[in-house]
Amino acid sequence: DTAVSQTPKYLVTQMGNDKSIKCEQNLGHDTMYWYKQDSKKFLKIMFSYNNKELIINETVPNRFSPKSPDKAHLNLHINSLELGDSAVYFCASRAMRGRSMNTEAFFGQGTRLTVV
Amino acid sequence: AQKVTQAQTEISVVEKEDVTLDCVYETRDTTYYLFWYKQPPSGELVFLIRRNSFDEQNEISGRYSWNFQKSTSSFNFTITASQVVDSAVYFCLPLLGLAKDRKLIWGLGTSLAVNP
Repeated sequence: DTAVSQTPKYLVTQMGNDKSIKCEQNLGHDTMYWYKQDSKKFLKIMFSYNNKELIINETVPNRFSPKSPDKAHLNLHINSLELGDSAVYFCASRAMRGRSMNTEAFFGQGTRLTVV
Repeated sequence: AQKVTQAQTEISVVEKEDVTLDCVYETRDTTYYLFWYKQPPSGELVFLIRRNSFDEQNEISGRYSWNFQKSTSSFNFTITASQVVDSAVYFCLPLLGLAKDRKLIWGLGTSLAVNP
């Protein structure tokens, strides 16, 4: 029943490793996002895909690479993890209405990444 | 510049008190949407309400009510008879413009603590 699901919920890994976070939505939405929330609760958008096309690509290190195999999935792969990558990562999805993006976004439960 | 201001960073109330969370935004867009989200201590992001710039009717949902004043660019949120479960960080977000590359602009929110 979960609308937007992310796995894993917790991820602890060592510096230098490569890891992936998966996101799936069953809402039939055509737009998906990745956000990063730091320790001060500030939420910053990283990427957005619309119908598998990259729409928003904020200034993030190129160690972060999103992959959207289909409209229902948007995975986040992170290479060479660094201590500063520790944060909570949220996946979200939204539907377009016509050509506008005036709908609400639905969020996954977040993935708490800790790099040690 | 387009931005949102939630001047109250932290609010602490006693259960059953009414509390109003302020939200003031700036935009030159004529068409925009405003959202409120809630992030309880468990960490998930929960959508509460969406309001478009053409609809100034106030909205009530149970103990929650929203007062949208376009003339003062404010979209305030009131919780009546607050409960401990209302403790969370609340985010007011504008979505400015409707193009698919538009982004929700996240601030630091207002942290509400409802004490028994």
